[in-house]
Amino acid sequence: QVQLQELGPGLVKSSETLSLLCSVSGGPIVAYYWNWIRQTPGGGLEWIGNTYHSGSSTHDGGTTNYNSSLKGRVSISLDTSKKQFSLSLDSVTTADTAVYYCARSLSYGFDYWGQGARVTVSS
Amino acid sequence: DIQMTQSPSSLAASVGDRVTITCRASQDIRFDLNWYQQKPGQAPKRLLYATFTLHSGVPSRFSGSGSGTEFTLTISSLQPDDFATYYCLQHNSNPPTFGQGTKLEMK
Repeated sequence: QVQLQELGPGLVKSSETLSLLCSVSGGPIVAYYWNWIRQTPGGGLEWIGNTYHSGSSTHDGGTTNYNSSLKGRVSISLDTSKKQFSLSLDSVTTADTAVYYCARSLSYGFDYWGQGARVTVSS
Repeated sequence: DIQMTQSPSSLAASVGDRVTITCRASQDIRFDLNWYQQKPGQAPKRLLYATFTLHSGVPSRFSGSGSGTEFTLTISSLQPDDFATYYCLQHNSNPPTFGQGTKLEMK
C-alpha cells in the first residue's frame, strides 16, 4: 500500500519561505507524478504543481509543472534516491494559510494522498 | 483554467436515501472526471475515476455517470459512513481543478 507523509513546520512568518517535504513508501517513486495540493480554511482545493521522473538516466528524464496562479513563487523538486519530494513557496502571505497535501497521480488523477500538513502564515 | 461547478453545495438526507450530486465543467473534459470523499480532519479519498470506475475497495452503492461537461455521483442507499463532503476533480488539462464541494449532512 502506497503511503505518503508530509513533514514541515506548522508556522511560517509572512514574506518568508514555506518548505515541506513528502516521503513516499510502499511503492516506486519513478514513473509517477508527485503532486502538491492545498486546501484553504474555507475548504477549497487548489493544485499547486507536480514533478515526475521516468527513471531514465538521461538528463531529460524529469519534468515539473506548476499552477500559474502561484505566480512563480513555487518550486518542487524530487529526490528519487531518498523517495522524497519537496515544496518551496516563496514570499508567503496569510492567504497561503492552508492544509498542504502531497499526492500521487498518473493517468487518472490523484489516487493516494498524505494525511496533510497544516501550515499557518503569521503576519 | 477549466471551472468545475458542483451542485448542491449542501444536502440533507437520511440513511437509505438515494442521493445525487452534479458537477459541471466549463468545457469538454471527455471522461476525465474523478469523485472524492472527505471527512473532517482527513485527506480526500478517491471514490471513482474516469467518470465510472470505482477505486479499489469502494462500495458498489457509489456510481458515476456523465461525459463532456456534465457528470453525476449517485449513492444508491445512503449509509451512516457516507456523511461527508464530496468533491469532483477534472484532470483533462492542466491545471487540474476541483469543484467547490458538496457537504452531505444527516437530516
